[in-house]
Amino acid sequence: DTEVTQTPKHLVMGMTNKKSLKCEQHMGHRAMYWYKQKAKKPPELMFVYSYEKLSINESVPSRFSPECPNSSLLNLHLHALQPEDSALYLCASSQDTRVQETQYFGPGTRLLVL
Amino acid sequence: EDQVTQSPEALRLQEGESSSLNCSYTVSGLRGLFWYRQDPGKGPEFLFTLYSAGEEKEKERLKATLTKKESFLHITAPKPEDSATYLCAVQAVEIGGATNKLIFGTGTLLAVQP
Repeated sequence: DTEVTQTPKHLVMGMTNKKSLKCEQHMGHRAMYWYKQKAKKPPELMFVYSYEKLSINESVPSRFSPECPNSSLLNLHLHALQPEDSALYLCASSQDTRVQETQYFGPGTRLLVL
Repeated sequence: EDQVTQSPEALRLQEGESSSLNCSYTVSGLRGLFWYRQDPGKGPEFLFTLYSAGEEKEKERLKATLTKKESFLHITAPKPEDSATYLCAVQAVEIGGATNKLIFGTGTLLAVQP
């Protein structure tokens, strides 16, 4: 089973709202990722967690705050977003962060910021 | 600079008309090349991983091949349900260490007409 789940599927929020995206995997993977994907563009890496510790932050604005409560869960807390942050947010996981490990993606959360 | 280029940007085929998608890469040290399929509004679905030149992998109507400079995704007798965006991504060794970051191409949008 290579399933990564994400909730919610869709989210509409105002620029003053606080919301959270959730990602879960039960494959025993120890690396988890957040990506952002705009229409007709490839996914862009935002954050990487390795063994529940943040290992890569791709210079993401502080209005995006990741959290990894345990090895199966990954959250992305959103606050004071801008309309240009509207996108498909993808979570992925892999066995670990070693090179050559395959990343498996979730279905994504479609975010619209008004 | 590491770079991945996919061609064509879009491809329209008749059902049963075989063709190939191209992924050219320029990286300092290839560690893995990944093919994903992505349906509109969904997360990328893993298809294949290739690690070394000469390697080939097959799954149903799809066959992926790898040379030292490019990879091809061959689609034999495609069906309408093969319509999707096909993404290529590479992992490369960074100077001073290894990384499992994926460098994505911009994808090929495939439409198969009945």
